[in-house]
Amino acid sequence: EPEVTQTPSHQVTQMGQEVILRCVPISNHLYFYWYRQILGQKVEFLVSFYNNEISEKSEIFDDQFSVERPDGSNFTLKIRSTKLEDSAMYFCASTGTGANSPLHFGNGTRLTVT
Amino acid sequence: GEDVEQSLFLSVREGDSSVINCTYTDSSSTYLYWYKQEPGAGLQLLTYIFSNMDMKQDQRLTVLLNKKDKHLSLRIADTQTGDSAIYFCAERGTGFQKLVFGTGTRLLVSP
Repeated sequence: EPEVTQTPSHQVTQMGQEVILRCVPISNHLYFYWYRQILGQKVEFLVSFYNNEISEKSEIFDDQFSVERPDGSNFTLKIRSTKLEDSAMYFCASTGTGANSPLHFGNGTRLTVT
Repeated sequence: GEDVEQSLFLSVREGDSSVINCTYTDSSSTYLYWYKQEPGAGLQLLTYIFSNMDMKQDQRLTVLLNKKDKHLSLRIADTQTGDSAIYFCAERGTGFQKLVFGTGTRLLVSP
């Protein structure tokens, strides 16, 4: 069964550094999402993306965050200058063309900012 | 705004049934989902129900929806130790809107 893949599985970075989290959505999916989960807390929406532009973003998704689909397969989340509070698990998701198509999530990237 | 609430913790014995409850506030919710998260792992889609349905059964899983009370439940029959995980309820409006997740219920199954 096709799946969403995310790399790396764990990223450690120093405060102030830029990080790029990578995702390969399911190949025929058109809608893409990033979520994050701070340890022990709920899963929070960051941003949705369709047709090469942001569809919706949350208050968390400030100017330090950006998303890009640089080619036909990858979907990336960039954090320009990481803060300690950015430490979390970041999940990518994609969904297909039907309105009832559920979101399929990757296994996540654990980001640790030191 | 949308809000989804769940009880934080449930403990059952192996072989018993587990019932995980969820309430939501958005009356325009179209689809409601249950995801499972094992320790250190991603979000696994278990099942989902359309808002015009009352019940959906899928092997050991039964989802009940009371749209009037905005209450959703997930029943796991014959619960096994491998079912120990965090279970997230999530709701979604029409089209390709974002999922809004609940707080998660940690299910602990003891032998």
